[in-house]
Amino acid sequence: DQQVKQNSPSLSVQEGRISILNCDYTNSMFDYFLWYKKYPAEGPTFLISISSIKDKNEDGRFTVFLNKSAKHLSLHIVPSQPGDSAVYFCAARGLNNNDMRFGAGTRLTVKP
Amino acid sequence: NAGVTQTPKFQVLKTGQSMTLQCAQDMNHNSMYWYRQDPGMGLRLIYYSASEGTTDKGEVPNGYNVSRLNKREFSLRLESAAPSQTSVYFCASSEGPIGSYEQYFGPGTRLTVT
Repeated sequence: DQQVKQNSPSLSVQEGRISILNCDYTNSMFDYFLWYKKYPAEGPTFLISISSIKDKNEDGRFTVFLNKSAKHLSLHIVPSQPGDSAVYFCAARGLNNNDMRFGAGTRLTVKP
Repeated sequence: NAGVTQTPKFQVLKTGQSMTLQCAQDMNHNSMYWYRQDPGMGLRLIYYSASEGTTDKGEVPNGYNVSRLNKREFSLRLESAAPSQTSVYFCASSEGPIGSYEQYFGPGTRLTVT
């Protein structure tokens, strides 16, 4: 039962363009959403998060949008850089940190 | 400040063998977690420790045991390894079990059971 889904296993964009990574969830009890970035042979690193009381959160080149009615969130990276090439995991949880559910990840490739 | 460290990085076991994966964090975090990551799937929680002295099952605990040795260290034990336990294992920690605390991950242990 995958409660968090990332339907695109991979995405390729040109350097300088926008990257949009998508994520859907099924559990309406989730109220905190996170994006993690993972390079090969490393653990995931936290990128950005959003609480269910917001619909947008920005941090530099990274913006996360949340559409609660559609149970959908997206990560926008503008402008994309080759160093952004990694696997991006969407995650969601309720109040407790011990109940975080992850999507399967999207591999982003940014071409110079 | 090393963050979260895991040993070993790689391990090959035969079916039925046992081993312990070690994890330590130096961020004075209260909560620690063990996940496994399989191809085509997201990370799934095996066990967690909300605070020193407590441990609880996560989503996929069967075949595993854990020990929260002290505030810094949280180990994962496979008593009798099975091929289905071939996976990449990640340890993580967070300041607390509740609230907007993100989790910090170690580099992972790649385990193969033949």
